[in-house]
Amino acid sequence: AQSVTQPDIHITVSEGASLELRCNYSYGATPYLFWYVQSPGQGLQLLLKYFSGDTLVQGIKGFEAEFKRSQSSFNLRKPSVHWSDAAEYFCAVVRSASKIIFGSGTRLSIRP
Amino acid sequence: DTEVTQTPKHLVMGMTNKKSLKCEQHMGHRAMYWYKQKAKKPPELMFVYSYEKLSINESVPSRFSPECPNSSLLNLHLHALQPEDSALYLCASSGLTEGTEAFFGQGTRLTVV
Repeated sequence: AQSVTQPDIHITVSEGASLELRCNYSYGATPYLFWYVQSPGQGLQLLLKYFSGDTLVQGIKGFEAEFKRSQSSFNLRKPSVHWSDAAEYFCAVVRSASKIIFGSGTRLSIRP
Repeated sequence: DTEVTQTPKHLVMGMTNKKSLKCEQHMGHRAMYWYKQKAKKPPELMFVYSYEKLSINESVPSRFSPECPNSSLLNLHLHALQPEDSALYLCASSGLTEGTEAFFGQGTRLTVV
């Protein structure tokens, strides 16, 4: 069955430091993968998506993610975080019939 | 317009009340969704509508009753809820092309007292 694992529950990084959030997926074929961000009490905003083609995907707010089939990973990166990046980040895979399966989420805190 | 609008933003209801959550989108999406999200948890799928017909019901209790009156609107009727139903209820919409992304509303924060 398709699934998504985010091994890190909570990560704290200093403002200006680089960031990498981990995501591993389990899927038989090439998956459709997404990263969403959620600020407290808010809805989810799509950061970026991977369908096929170039394995390095650029998103909004300076984020990027790299699809690595050999490692079944789709890690999210940002070279320099800002205090406004503090939020919950969800990796997700889309199954058939438009069913989105979310990972458990990683909470990002920013140290001033 | 890439907005999904949900009303109300906050709702407090008693266990004997009947209330409805509303969701609207004008992106021409033919798939609409209800998700439930508890604190510090990922969203959990409740219902999916495709072409205004219910296509997925994730074994949701009957005290939650979805309705899709037209391609732009999605309602969630609530009746006889329990305190454990308190959560953030998120509406989303998407196209029906395989793998297309979903757009989410800001959610309704529901408290059952």
